[in-house]
Amino acid sequence: NAGVTQTPKFQVLKTGQSMTLQCAQDMNHNSMYWYRQDPGMGLRLIYYSASEGTTDKGEVPNGYNVSRLNKREFSLRLESAAPSQTSVYFCASCPAKYGANVLTFGAGSRLTVL
Amino acid sequence: SQELEQSPQSLIVQEGKNLTINCTSSKTLYGLYWYKQKYGEGLIFLMMLQKGGEEKSHEKITAKLDEKKQQSSLHITASQPSHAGIYLCGADIQGAQKLVFGQGTRLTINP
Repeated sequence: NAGVTQTPKFQVLKTGQSMTLQCAQDMNHNSMYWYRQDPGMGLRLIYYSASEGTTDKGEVPNGYNVSRLNKREFSLRLESAAPSQTSVYFCASCPAKYGANVLTFGAGSRLTVL
Repeated sequence: SQELEQSPQSLIVQEGKNLTINCTSSKTLYGLYWYKQKYGEGLIFLMMLQKGGEEKSHEKITAKLDEKKQQSSLHITASQPSHAGIYLCGADIQGAQKLVFGQGTRLTINP
């Protein structure tokens, strides 16, 4: 009964390094999302995937890439990390392909870029 | 810019007091979702409102979506320490097919 699992939970990077945040869900959900949470900014959508094989940009996609590897997994990649990408990242999923719906969130990944 | 505005951004109340958090959109809401986040953890779904005038309750938390479907309020009655956390509203704005969120309200309950 894992729900949405994100790895790693914590990561410290130096400016210019790359890394991938992994997300997997075991609920057979169609849509998956990556959000970032910054103080006073709430959650901002980075990318989402309505179904396997499709991805779309959200509000703040610059500096990120995503891959919907299969129905279960949706990864977020930072090719050249910048201090402005220091944030808490949340992956979420929902059953629907289209239309907003109840999201199930992972526990978050805290990323610090020095 | 924030499509959803929450107020207040921070709230400190005495245990046992009532409180209200508001979530306002400049566009028509097609679905409004309330989530709670405990410090350092993920978001937990509280309630979903879809029809203007709809009101839902869960334990001591009541949420309402106004008739014009552009504002929602979350009301907590007789607050307890377990209510402390960050409350976020999320909404499907004008059928955008994805959820956008407000900036959150940080609630502290003093004993």
